[in-house]
Amino acid sequence: QMQLVQSEGGLVRPGGSLRLSCAASGFTFSDYYMTWIRQAPGKGPEWVSSISTTSTYTNYADSVKGRFTISRDNAKNSLYLQLNSLRVEDTAVYYCARGDWVFGLWGRGTTVIVSS
Amino acid sequence: AIQLTQSPSSLSASVGDRVSITCRASQGISRALAWYQQKPGRAPKLLIYEASSLESGVPSRFSGSGSGTAFTLTISSLQPEDFATYYCQEFTDYPRIFGQGTRLEIK
Repeated sequence: QMQLVQSEGGLVRPGGSLRLSCAASGFTFSDYYMTWIRQAPGKGPEWVSSISTTSTYTNYADSVKGRFTISRDNAKNSLYLQLNSLRVEDTAVYYCARGDWVFGLWGRGTTVIVSS
Repeated sequence: AIQLTQSPSSLSASVGDRVSITCRASQGISRALAWYQQKPGRAPKLLIYEASSLESGVPSRFSGSGSGTAFTLTISSLQPEDFATYYCQEFTDYPRIFGQGTRLEIK
């Protein structure tokens, strides 16, 4: 069946880095835009970044622009998010999701905790 | 950026009740609105897209309406599994914006 399997998260010090991954199966990954969405504890979802099918186009929330980088490898059916210069306020569950307008398939989420 | 305001923020209702949740956009977004359901510890689940189109597999008791700046999600007869938090989301431009959520609780 269609699914998105996400990597494990972790505890990172402020200023640190982390790379999240998301492996797709059960559908033609290269046909879809892909997106990262995060959700801080007790808050609603926040769109983070989207990438086009061939990686030509990427978009970022202002809160992460210049610090996070979205990428994909269609040969490996995988989506990535490189998180640099992490801040305490980046603490959240990070979800990968299929699509760009609406999000009909989600991963189970990766917990990222930024704390000293 | 567009702002989405949901009302109410929380709602208590009983099994079998008809409930409606409103989402208002700070500017017109045509019908570029989706609704999601989220249960604790789970990812959001898409219910409605393009304001009123039911996602495949979603029960017909869920319906959406509206256009422009005012939208409504209606559950015609609440079931026990419907108690959750609901979010609207617009998709006219970047950044994609989510509402702050409506928590639906059992009365």
